[in-house]
Amino acid sequence: EPEVTQTPSHQVTQMGQEVILRCVPISNHLYFYWYRQILGQKVEFLVSFYNNEISEKSEIFDDQFSVERPDGSNFTLKIRSTKLEDSAMYFCASSEGLTRADTQYFGPGTRLTVL
Amino acid sequence: AQTVTQSQPEMSVQEAETVTLSCTYDTSESDYYLFWYKQPPSRQMILVIRQEAYKQQNATENRFSVNFQKAAKSFSLKISDSQLGDAAMYFCAYLSNTGNQFYFGTGTSLTVIP
Repeated sequence: EPEVTQTPSHQVTQMGQEVILRCVPISNHLYFYWYRQILGQKVEFLVSFYNNEISEKSEIFDDQFSVERPDGSNFTLKIRSTKLEDSAMYFCASSEGLTRADTQYFGPGTRLTVL
Repeated sequence: AQTVTQSQPEMSVQEAETVTLSCTYDTSESDYYLFWYKQPPSRQMILVIRQEAYKQQNATENRFSVNFQKAAKSFSLKISDSQLGDAAMYFCAYLSNTGNQFYFGTGTSLTVIP
């Protein structure tokens, strides 16, 4: 069964550094998403992406965040200057996009630790 | 923004027994979608079941079923014949008919006792 994959599984970085989290969505899916889960808290929506542009974003997704689909398979989340509070689990998800309420399939997550 | 509340941080159930996980939500919309996701220790969230708000019939997937009470804005998950593999964090999620973002509850950690 096709799965969403994410790399790396764990990323450790120094505060102020840039990080890029990578995701490979399911191949025939058209919508892509990033969520984050700070330890012990709920999963929070960051951004959705469709047709090579952001379709929706939350208040969390400020100017330090950006997303890109650099090729036909990868979907990346860049954090330009990491802060301690960016430490969290980051989940990528994708959906077919045939209907608005398609089920989102989640990747295993990348644990980001900012020191 | 919509809010999703899971009032049970932890639940436990004996193997082969039935357990019900609670979820309530707040919305002014009439058309939306509700989901239960399971997050086992491996951390990848897996869809358990989904419900369209316009459907009166409760969704069922094998041992998993929901009790959807639209007027009460309640969406509970019932797991029958619980198995050890059901042990996980369970998240209730709301999806608007007009947007793409999920609103998640804080989760319920389910322990299955052999």
